[in-house]
Amino acid sequence: ETGVTQTPRHLVMGMTNKKSLKCEQHLGHNAMYWYKQSAKKPLELMFVYSLEERVENNSVPSRFSPECPNSSHLFLHLHTLQPEDSALYLCASSLGLAGGPKGYEQYFGPGTRLTVT
Amino acid sequence: AQTVTQSQPEMSVQEAETVTLSCTYDTSESDYYLFWYKQPPSRQMILVIRQEAYKQQNATENRFSVNFQKAAKSFSLKISDSQLGDAAMYFCAYRRVGGSNYKLTFGKGTLLTVNP
Repeated sequence: ETGVTQTPRHLVMGMTNKKSLKCEQHLGHNAMYWYKQSAKKPLELMFVYSLEERVENNSVPSRFSPECPNSSHLFLHLHTLQPEDSALYLCASSLGLAGGPKGYEQYFGPGTRLTVT
Repeated sequence: AQTVTQSQPEMSVQEAETVTLSCTYDTSESDYYLFWYKQPPSRQMILVIRQEAYKQQNATENRFSVNFQKAAKSFSLKISDSQLGDAAMYFCAYRRVGGSNYKLTFGKGTLLTVNP
């Protein structure tokens, strides 16, 4: 296991529920990411945070709301999701957003398998 | 926009044999990084190997090596002496250097099966 943890590992929620995904990194990194991984599709970058500031939002629907209270924690708040939002949600971290190849290397968590019913 | 293509959805190899996974990418940039990530079933994605575009020498990490052909925009991964633990989904990824684009662009992946 790497130094990025995610909870819960599995989540089933109805379309009217509100839930949150949590990510924690123990690597001393300054940048954190949320990705969506769907079957037979490339990973989709959702959000990027650097030093707790959101630096990228890739046209993600507002039913997904990220929060980064500090450089070690990242949340993804979910509400009124659709069945097509069912996927594996991956969190990743890196040293920063620049600084050479080591700075760019992203370390991934195990993911949260989300099922929307 | 950058794109990454992995043309082999699935590959299989016999234990102890060698297998090569293909990856091509499209970019107008001259400086960038390329990565191969491995995602075992129900386990975390981990970085296997990294190549800086400005380096002519192909990267090597133990049994894993790449064949980087910059002009052809090709970045294949060779796994030598395949082991059962190599079975996983392998993703090729691209990242430009600098600028405000922080995105790692991934291919769709190649599922590698290792047969005993």
